Amino acid sequence: QLQLQESGPGLVKPSETLSLTCTVSGGSISSSNYYWGWVRQPPGEGLEWIGSIHYSGSVDYTPSLRSRVTISVDTSKNQFSLKVSSVPLAHTAVYYCARQSPCIIGSCYFDYWGQGSLVTVSS
Amino acid sequence: QSALTQPASVSGSPGQSITISCTGTSSDVGGYNYVSWYQQHPGKAPKLIIYEVSYRPSGVSNRFSGSKSGNAASLTISGLQADDEAAYYCSSYTSSNILFGGGTKLTVL
Repeated sequence: QLQLQESGPGLVKPSETLSLTCTVSGGSISSSNYYWGWVRQPPGEGLEWIGSIHYSGSVDYTPSLRSRVTISVDTSKNQFSLKVSSVPLAHTAVYYCARQSPCIIGSCYFDYWGQGSLVTVSS
Repeated sequence: QSALTQPASVSGSPGQSITISCTGTSSDVGGYNYVSWYQQHPGKAPKLIIYEVSYRPSGVSNRFSGSKSGNAASLTISGLQADDEAAYYCSSYTSSNILFGGGTKLTVL
């Protein structure tokens, strides 16, 4: 059974960089055409897609965050990572990593999710 | 792009059926059959219940069904059960972006 687990600091200061890693177990991150994505959810609010990466390095970002987000993949560790630079208070949220079917071939859904990691932006 | 539009809340009694709407535009919901639906219980990660408008993943009850007409998609839950009480989110692909709806809180009376 595929499992995803987020890890990283739970507290980040405003204007600093938020960093999270997702470790995939029960399957190889490079064994299929799936993408690996990040979705966040501010407290009491809805879901927002941040971006997704393929093990080949192909990456897509949501336009509103493209200037400050970097997603990378480390196939040797079966992990992918998220960095968000210069975070404002409003980036306080639960950050989820998830497996995403490739949109280009007509699917575009998230079928396996991590449990989520609360990141609080506060001084 | 703006989030997809969902009603903030719906309710129904056990055994009844309810439908949750998800309204977008011709650039997202209306332009692709890439609509998916997620169920989220409080404090839990979202769970995929419908993909590609009307397909159910293995293990998801056939009480959940999806459809689409024009720029609007719908999720129908039949035979409501207490455990269906949760938030439901629709999602759609649009031009190198993935949008979510604002979420609908389902209350089982």
